[in-house]
This record gives sequence, structure tokens and C-alpha cells, in this order.
Amino acid sequence: QTVVTQEPSFAVSPGGTVTLTCGLSSGSVSITSFPSWYQQTPGQPPRTLIYNTNSRSSGVPDRFSGSILGNKAALTITGAQADDESDYYCLLYMGFGIAVFGGGTKLTVL
Amino acid sequence: EVQVLESGGGLVQPGGSLRLSCAASGFTFSIYAMSWVRQAPGKGLEWVSAISGSGDDTYYADSVKGRFTISRDNSRNTLSLQMNSLVDEDTALYYCAKAPTYVWGSYRQGVSFDYWGQGTLVAVSS
Repeated sequence: QTVVTQEPSFAVSPGGTVTLTCGLSSGSVSITSFPSWYQQTPGQPPRTLIYNTNSRSSGVPDRFSGSILGNKAALTITGAQADDESDYYCLLYMGFGIAVFGGGTKLTVL
Repeated sequence: EVQVLESGGGLVQPGGSLRLSCAASGFTFSIYAMSWVRQAPGKGLEWVSAISGSGDDTYYADSVKGRFTISRDNSRNTLSLQMNSLVDEDTALYYCAKAPTYVWGSYRQGVSFDYWGQGTLVAVSS
């Protein structure tokens, strides 16, 4: 079974830029994977950031952007802020109605 | 304001059954696909199941196929998840999530969520 891969953890300095990636254990991520990104802080439900590769959800600041980089989906955060410290999950469409989340990336802002 | 509110969670013995519900408001329920996502304690998100706006098409993760059944009542703006033959690994916080599309998994819009509930906790233990 294909696994969706994400960096387990990442660190960024306040004001810095970080790019989190979302790949496949077998194959490449493309726009037809319809990657979406979700932010979750402890004790809270997920919040939708990006859908359809690069469309920002309502109310999401333009510091967050999505793209395809090589064979992976990417979430870039520019001008990182303290409250960006969260877990970030990507979701990919595998076809035939099946969706799979990545294992998540724990982002630390320090 | 869009709201989805889960209910029905609780403690159940292995092999038992439970039915989760999700009450939706603030949007035209019947024209959006809906889904269940779960999160085991201290773990990541896992997509569980989805259903199209009409209710005609349903989809399941392999981990729950044959045991869980998703359904919706568009006249009552309610989404349900019937969970049978529960095992320890089903212990999780179950989220109801709204999709921004009528069809789940279309070739033009794929899959995603735009609104999430707060979740309802299911604990499977003897």
C-alpha cells in the first residue's frame, strides 16, 4: 500500500521561511493528487489551509502557499510566526474515492 | 455560520457497535459531500469514510471497509457512521468534516475539507 510521506519535524526561526513536503512512497505527487494541507494545534480540530494544490481556504493569510515541487506537494510558510507552531498534515487523493493523510509534520518556531 | 457537531461517542467493548451522528447547520447540506476523519490518541489524522451529496456514493478506508457504514439524511441535515465489530485500533477522536464539493473524488476537484467539527471520542476497551 502506498504511504504518504512527510517530514516528522521541522524547525524555523521567527520571520523565516519553511517548506514542508508531502510525497508518496511509490510514485509522484501531481495536481491530480489534489493535495490539501491542514494545520492542527493541540486539543483543536484541524484547520484547512490549502486545497487543490494551491488554493487558500477562506481566511488563511497569504503567508501560506501550496505548490508542486518536483515529485512532491509543498506547503511554504513565509514570515513564520510563533502561532504557526503546529502539526501540519497533507491529504492526497489516490483515486476511486480514496484519500490518505500523511503522517504529519511537527513545526517548531524558535 | 457553518457548523458541524458530532455526537454518539463513548466506551464500547471489542466486538461491539456504536453509531456516530453529525448535525450540520449554516449551509445547504444536501449539495456537499461529507466525511469522517479520525485521530487516535497522540497520532495523526486518518481518513475513514466519505459520502456524496446525494448519498448515492460511499467510500471507505481499507481499515474500516466491511465494518463501518456511512449514511446521510438530507431531510434532517445529519451525517451518520455506523461502526460494527469494533477493535482496539478504532479508539480515536472522530471528526465530521464537510467537503467543498458535491462529488467526492471528482476528476476536477478531488478530495478536501473546508469545515471540521470538534470531534467525538470513541474508546474501544474491555
